[in-house]
Amino acid sequence: KQEVTQIPAALSVPEGENLVLNCSFTDSAIYNLQWFRQDPGKGLTSLLLIQSSQREQTSGRLNASLDKSSGRSTLYIAASQPGDSATYLCAVEGAQKLVFGQGTRLTINP
Amino acid sequence: DTGVSQDPRHKITKRGQNVTFRCDPISEHNRLYWYRQTLGQGPEFLTYFQNEAQLEKSRLLSDRFSAERPKGSFSTLEIQRTEQGDSAMYLCASSSKFIRGSAYNEQFFGPGTRLTVL
Repeated sequence: KQEVTQIPAALSVPEGENLVLNCSFTDSAIYNLQWFRQDPGKGLTSLLLIQSSQREQTSGRLNASLDKSSGRSTLYIAASQPGDSATYLCAVEGAQKLVFGQGTRLTINP
Repeated sequence: DTGVSQDPRHKITKRGQNVTFRCDPISEHNRLYWYRQTLGQGPEFLTYFQNEAQLEKSRLLSDRFSAERPKGSFSTLEIQRTEQGDSAMYLCASSSKFIRGSAYNEQFFGPGTRLTVL
């Protein structure tokens, strides 16, 4: 059974810092990995998708990497802003459905 | 707006009542998913459709839950005889690997329906 773990559970940093969120998964037989953002009480916004054959994806200040063999992914956020405050979730796809981690609650302090 | 929509956004009901939620996927997406999210947790898979066929159901989906996608477009999720443990956010997502510009099976989520059972 696939299990996804995100560390840390919560993170608070001052504005402007670069930061890294971590995601690990137990079964390397995945089709892709998605990173999402969730604001309080809202749905999920897809940030990046990395297919299993890819090593990384970039979108603006976000960069996500994938190491399937070790079962790890990282989300790098450059020059953090208060508007980046949210919960970040990673999810792996296997057999047509997503398995999510519990998320990292990120707070960027002005 | 061509995103995933869900209705209602909030539902408060008394224990034992039946509730039904609706999801309208992104136009032309052939796959539709339902997930449930409780406070402080990541979403958990409930069920998914390819066109009108329900292809997989999680063990989380007890006999009180039923989902349909009658014409391969919108979907409904019904919960019968609601219990307090059903209180959660119910999320719908859609995907299609055939849509230009969309990465393979990238799932797009709606705003969710928050259910509170009193």
